[in-house]
Amino acid sequence: QSALTQPASVSGSPGQSLTISCTGTSSDVGGYNFVSWYQQHPGKAPKLMIYDVTNRPSEVSNRFSGSKSGNTASLTISGLQAEDEADYYCSSYTSSSTLIFGGGTKVTVL
Amino acid sequence: QVQLVESGGGVVRPGRSLRLSCAASGFTFSSFGMHWVRQAPGKGLEGVAVIWNDGIDKYYADSVKGRFTISRDNSKNTVYLQMNSLRAEDTAVYYCARGMTTADYWGQGTLVTVPS
Repeated sequence: QSALTQPASVSGSPGQSLTISCTGTSSDVGGYNFVSWYQQHPGKAPKLMIYDVTNRPSEVSNRFSGSKSGNTASLTISGLQAEDEADYYCSSYTSSSTLIFGGGTKVTVL
Repeated sequence: QVQLVESGGGVVRPGRSLRLSCAASGFTFSSFGMHWVRQAPGKGLEGVAVIWNDGIDKYYADSVKGRFTISRDNSKNTVYLQMNSLRAEDTAVYYCARGMTTADYWGQGTLVTVPS
């Protein structure tokens, strides 16, 4: 099973909003409302930012939001801050009962 | 607080075996599924295996099917990954993570190196 498709990199200035896409198939992203997003800083473990497409863990800033349309999910970061600079990965539950991840997107704060 | 601590990584020759462990604390371990996810150097995340809370249902990525086995001991709050017939392409940091349809808590990872 191929990885979900994410852009390799996106960038924005402080205070701006940016959106990262995550494209899969009807066997994963399009078939289930089980898309998650993770933030990973260099040398650190991933941290869950969004689960079940739109839900945010209580400790995660409300500047992070998720959505989905068809086979594509999206993560939006509003009010971009320097600390948001990191790699971001999407994941989806699949028809094989496994988790499939995207290739990752490097977010740069200009 | 939820804590996951992996151990067992190291350098191993191609074709040999290694067993990873992940000790869990801070939650009711027997109520949650558990994942092993790996990350090759400079690369993205790859789901390796998942085991349901009762330890009966297990699922694997195609890349490890037939070589890796996931198991758990709910009396010890520990999940394992038995890795056989290791290859150079299995070199990665291996993370354990809690959950089934998502991975909400992650350990710090353990590095497995298989020289080519």
